[in-house]
Amino acid sequence: DAKTTQPPSMDCAEGRAANLPCNHSTISGNEYVYWYRQIHSQGPQYIIHGLKNNETNEMASLIITEDRKSSTLILPHATLRDTAVYYCIVRVGGGNAGNMLTFGGGTRLMVKP
Amino acid sequence: GAVVSQHPSRVICKSGTSVKIECRSLDFQATTMFWYRQFPKQSLMLMATSNEGSKATYEQGVEKDKFLINHASLTLSTLTVTSAHPEDSSFYICSALGQTGTQYFGPGTRLLVL
Repeated sequence: DAKTTQPPSMDCAEGRAANLPCNHSTISGNEYVYWYRQIHSQGPQYIIHGLKNNETNEMASLIITEDRKSSTLILPHATLRDTAVYYCIVRVGGGNAGNMLTFGGGTRLMVKP
Repeated sequence: GAVVSQHPSRVICKSGTSVKIECRSLDFQATTMFWYRQFPKQSLMLMATSNEGSKATYEQGVEKDKFLINHASLTLSTLTVTSAHPEDSSFYICSALGQTGTQYFGPGTRLLVL
């Protein structure tokens, strides 16, 4: 799986948009970009994933650059409950059992009042 | 949808005893489940891949005889930590692979070995 690079920490004001960047310059054509977050002492929570088109769901938006070498996760209106470690992971898609997730250091997002 | 549960949520045991952790996919079937371990202030590390009806695949450095994995049904995988020692104290997290390829995680089990 391609390696990803994320800033170790970020702050965001409550109510403002949180934009979390991720670099994945060695991503392959069949690899998806997945985002998970882990709130303290809990299991990771799936947020969103995409291949090359921008994606949006009830939690967040995912913007992938045209060359697919980087992406940005956007939380449109961050709340205090969004404080967590956010992981950007690239891996081959589909239900193949070999498609495990490799977690890096992630970005620790602190949402402040 | 896509809910994964773990039981127990936390367990304290004496050194030398065995502990079993259950991982269930509540609203979907999962032929593959994964077991991770997370030490304080560190990221998740994959321990093994659990396949329904077959032997688990362990990551390098993970002792298969110490961490017994059984995936007896499409909704249940168990991890047994045998002869637990204080260094096995950790946060154990399972995930289940959905049909679309997305992994859904359980809430984790915190193990403390005294």
